[in-house]
Amino acid sequence: GAVVSQHPSRVICKSGTSVKIECRSLDFQATTMFWYRQFPKKSLMLMATSNEGSKATYEQGVEKDKFLINHASLTLSTLTVTSAHPEDSSFYICSAFTSGGSYSYNEQFFGPGTRLTVL
Amino acid sequence: GESVGLHLPTLSVQEGDNSIINCAYSNSASDYFIWYKQESGKGPQFIIDIRSNMDKRQGQRVTVLLNKTVKHLSLQIAATQPGDSAVYFCAEMGGNTPLVFGKGTRLSVIA
Repeated sequence: GAVVSQHPSRVICKSGTSVKIECRSLDFQATTMFWYRQFPKKSLMLMATSNEGSKATYEQGVEKDKFLINHASLTLSTLTVTSAHPEDSSFYICSAFTSGGSYSYNEQFFGPGTRLTVL
Repeated sequence: GESVGLHLPTLSVQEGDNSIINCAYSNSASDYFIWYKQESGKGPQFIIDIRSNMDKRQGQRVTVLLNKTVKHLSLQIAATQPGDSAVYFCAEMGGNTPLVFGKGTRLSVIA
């Protein structure tokens, strides 16, 4: 199946710094990538939808100036958490969406996640 | 709020028994449903999916049942194994809407 990678897998940073998380589709082109966050023992909550070459669409309650998303190519999307604070500590998961081609319709492939800890 | 929910937050089963994990959804426009397995510290792993024009789909040791009348989805795992221990999420989508995840059920397999 399709592979989606995330880097880094874990990051610890000081409060006030910015952190960039990369999401790559390794063997397919993803026109759309999604970013989720997951708090402990909770479900995945969609933060934003990222389409290649256009601005991301953010879900209600997600600050677009705090969570900067760039989808510059069909295989790479980045999420930058700006001026991170302890409440931003979470598990961030990306997914890449493809339709048609050699994959089944509406298949969405998830990355392994990035654990962010803000001290 | 979330439109997809789960009846039980935790489920413990004996190794070798069958597991049934339930899910309720509220969006009647959803036409595609997926079950995911998530192990600790990892991303969701696709298990099985079903489209709204079906009411049952079988995979290897897993079966998904869809009851559109009552908006209910279930995942059946046959001969549950210790490696099945994880959190299971149902998710729904319809048209151009992104996936909406349910709250999750933690499955614990007792050896």
